[in-house]
Amino acid sequence: DTGVSQNPRHKITKRGQNVTFRCDPISEHNRLYWYRQTLGQGPEFLTYFQNEAQLEKSRLLSDRFSAERPKGSFSTLEIQRTEQGDSAMYLCIGLSAYNEQFFGPGTRLTVL
Amino acid sequence: ELKVEQNPLFLSMQEGKNYTIYCNYSTTSDRLYWYRQDPGKSLESLFVLLSNGAVKQEGRLMASLDTKARLSTLHITAAVHDLSATYFCAVGAGGTSYGKLTFGQGTILTVHP
Repeated sequence: DTGVSQNPRHKITKRGQNVTFRCDPISEHNRLYWYRQTLGQGPEFLTYFQNEAQLEKSRLLSDRFSAERPKGSFSTLEIQRTEQGDSAMYLCIGLSAYNEQFFGPGTRLTVL
Repeated sequence: ELKVEQNPLFLSMQEGKNYTIYCNYSTTSDRLYWYRQDPGKSLESLFVLLSNGAVKQEGRLMASLDTKARLSTLHITAAVHDLSATYFCAVGAGGTSYGKLTFGQGTILTVHP
């Protein structure tokens, strides 16, 4: 148990629906990262936060994607108008002040 | 743009044999990570290598880093079935992007009796 939780663990949705995922790091993780991993590939960086500030976004993060970390604690990742290509594992990583990584269990999204 | 390439992508080994997974990256970085991923699971951190010539070992796995060649290796000694998994290397960005990782494609390791 890394202390980072993600909910839901699995999500099945129909194309065109909106979905929201949540990541809860532990309080010491002032930096939080979102990655996407499609089947058979390595994870790809999406975005990261330092406290509540979103400091970098990948070009993979189209305008259908939005991420927030409103109080510098939990973070949400929303995908609007889902497409089949959004099917993937979405991983959240917390980074401690000592740069130690803590991986969440991931949310697996399936878009039908 | 930083690129990270692993080879081989698929590795089928017999128990007891040795083998090496290679990880090449395209631009300078001061941090290289190795991870293990079991099917349907998140990633498990194995090693972080921070300097040229760094070598770390845990059980049957040993990782090394050559920053001049931009190459890291993950050596498997006397493989056992429990090592079957997908192994990823990842290179860390620096500066304000510290913590942002670029991953290789992964090496799927299968160890046979």
